[in-house]
Amino acid sequence: QAVLTQPSSLSASPGASASLTCTLRSDINVGNYRIYWYQQKSGRPPQYLLRYNSDSDKQQGSGVPSRFSGSKDASANAGILLISGLQSEDEADYYCLIWHSGAWVFGGGTKLTVL
Amino acid sequence: EVHLVESGGGLVQPGGSLRLSCVASGFTFSTSNMNWVRQAPGKGLEWLSYISGSSNFIYSADSLKGRFTISRDNAKNSLYLQMNSLRAEDTAVYYCARDPPDIWGQGTMVTVSS
Repeated sequence: QAVLTQPSSLSASPGASASLTCTLRSDINVGNYRIYWYQQKSGRPPQYLLRYNSDSDKQQGSGVPSRFSGSKDASANAGILLISGLQSEDEADYYCLIWHSGAWVFGGGTKLTVL
Repeated sequence: EVHLVESGGGLVQPGGSLRLSCVASGFTFSTSNMNWVRQAPGKGLEWLSYISGSSNFIYSADSLKGRFTISRDNAKNSLYLQMNSLRAEDTAVYYCARDPPDIWGQGTMVTVSS
């Protein structure tokens, strides 16, 4: 089982909100990890969006709009990236990341389609 | 302005070697931990290796099986990735990134093919 699991794709309408999940393997607790989120558009390097651990330990990437926010769902053992007020420019691949056992681990990525 | 610029990619035959470089500017490189990350065509991101600012701590992905070596020269604001015994599956865009990965370079393409 992969350390981090993301749905491969998600579709949402302009103006709506999209909730992207990053589920941790069952033997590791989301409460113990800072979760990083990245946006990658076609042909471009990843862009750091934000880091979320708790409401008192979070960081927004430089220049990243506040409509991108992070949270956790402890019951699902998952990190969540919420994008509100979706715009066509939000169409991209999104990756989560944690530091686990001496290594950075990426999720497989979610392709977000805005239509 | 914070910048990372990779170089050294290209076409190499299977079994060959390549050394990638990453030059940093706009921040204090010597106290910044750094990473290499790659992305195969049409695939996701894969972390490869981490090095602390003083080179005291190095971590690498188990999957590399020691074929890749990360290093740095703080006097030159440069990060390196020595890649040996290259295979077709190493074909990817290679990125350097400041740690925790917030600033990324544009990437350099490595193609392993005969």
